[in-house]
Amino acid sequence: QVNVVESGGGLVRPGGSLRLSCAASGFTFINYNMNWVRQSPEKGLEWLSHISPSGSNMYYADSVKGRFTISRDNARNFVYLDMSRLRADDTAIYYCARGLDAFDVWGRGTLVSVSS
Amino acid sequence: DIQLTQSPSSLSASVGDRVTITCQASQSLNGHLHWYQQRPGEAPRLLIYEASGLQRGVPSRFSGSGSATKFTLTISSLQPEDFATYYCQQSYNSKTFGQGSRVEV
Repeated sequence: QVNVVESGGGLVRPGGSLRLSCAASGFTFINYNMNWVRQSPEKGLEWLSHISPSGSNMYYADSVKGRFTISRDNARNFVYLDMSRLRADDTAIYYCARGLDAFDVWGRGTLVSVSS
Repeated sequence: DIQLTQSPSSLSASVGDRVTITCQASQSLNGHLHWYQQRPGEAPRLLIYEASGLQRGVPSRFSGSGSATKFTLTISSLQPEDFATYYCQQSYNSKTFGQGSRVEV
């Protein structure tokens, strides 16, 4: 069964760091582009970052460029999002999603709360 | 950035109704517009890709149309499981989502 499962969310103080993980299964991971998308009541759904199948190309939304880094491990079928200099407005549910243009597989998300 | 404006933001409907949601883009998308359904507590689910392509496993009562800057999602006969929030998303230039359209009883 095609599936992605996020983990690593939690409560972090402003200025802190966090690593999110996404475990993929049920499909040939190395063939697919992967993304991180977040959702908050204030901003709605917001695409954050994309990584190509080989991991050689990464793209970021302006809101996270320079603070977040996407990476992948094709041997273990994982995608990661390293987040630093976190701010209160980074509080959201973070989703891992498969796809280049449309996102056809989503995880259930992991909650990140940034608060002192 | 490309802005997507959905209308209506919310609507009341009944089972069996025909429902239409519109997504207006701030510039032409060359067809790179996709639709998602999100039920409470769940992740978004892809319904329609590239304006009119029906995603595998999605019931045929869902359809998409449109071009350039105006796109439409239609549910031909609303079912109880269709009460949810619907989002459009563009992939022509980076990726952005609309603000959502809530379909409620």
